[in-house]
Amino acid sequence: GENVEQHPSTLSVQEGDSAVIKCTYSDSASNYFPWYKQELGKGPQLIIDIRSNVGEKKDQRIAVTLNKTAKHFSLHITETQPEDSAVYFCAAPGDTGRRALTFGSGTRLQVQP
Amino acid sequence: DAGVIQSPRHEVTEMGQEVTLRCKPISGHDYLFWYRQTMMRGLELLIYFNNNVPIDDSGMPEDRFSAKMPNASFSTLKIQPSEPRDSAVYFCASSFRSSGRVTGELFFGEGSRLTVL
Repeated sequence: GENVEQHPSTLSVQEGDSAVIKCTYSDSASNYFPWYKQELGKGPQLIIDIRSNVGEKKDQRIAVTLNKTAKHFSLHITETQPEDSAVYFCAAPGDTGRRALTFGSGTRLQVQP
Repeated sequence: DAGVIQSPRHEVTEMGQEVTLRCKPISGHDYLFWYRQTMMRGLELLIYFNNNVPIDDSGMPEDRFSAKMPNASFSTLKIQPSEPRDSAVYFCASSFRSSGRVTGELFFGEGSRLTVL
């Protein structure tokens, strides 16, 4: 099955700085890489995703990059704001016939005002 | 739409008791997932259904856990008997079949926090 590793486990930045979270995956068959944000007391919510046929995708202050050769993908948040403070999870599906995602261990991002 | 609805939000029970967690997926979604979240193990997939049929239950810890989906709008996760190590937040999520073989967006409920004393 798929194995997803995520780093760092915690990240503290100053408001306005950039934050980068990295994930590696094991199954070369994975072709879809979403990022979820979980706020306190809530369920995870999709914030951005990327398919394997592109190397980068942006949505306002967030972007995801994918390197299929190295089997890693990253989340980039620019101009961080206090409301970006949350736990972020990367995920991958592994075998594309399997509809369930395997999640990384999560990164707790703290944006200091 | 109200989103994925889970109940109860919080459950405190004693070891050995039966626990039933409930989930109402988003109308029209054909996939339903049960995940468990703990500090030690993160988000773990327990089981998922497609069109009410269990597809992969390899993540179910042991025979004490069972899940059913009697219709498209309701699913239960049952633990009997419960043990302290079952304490976790249990999430239900649903999704709609996307094109090709790519997994669609998961919509999570707010979770059921279970504490087994």
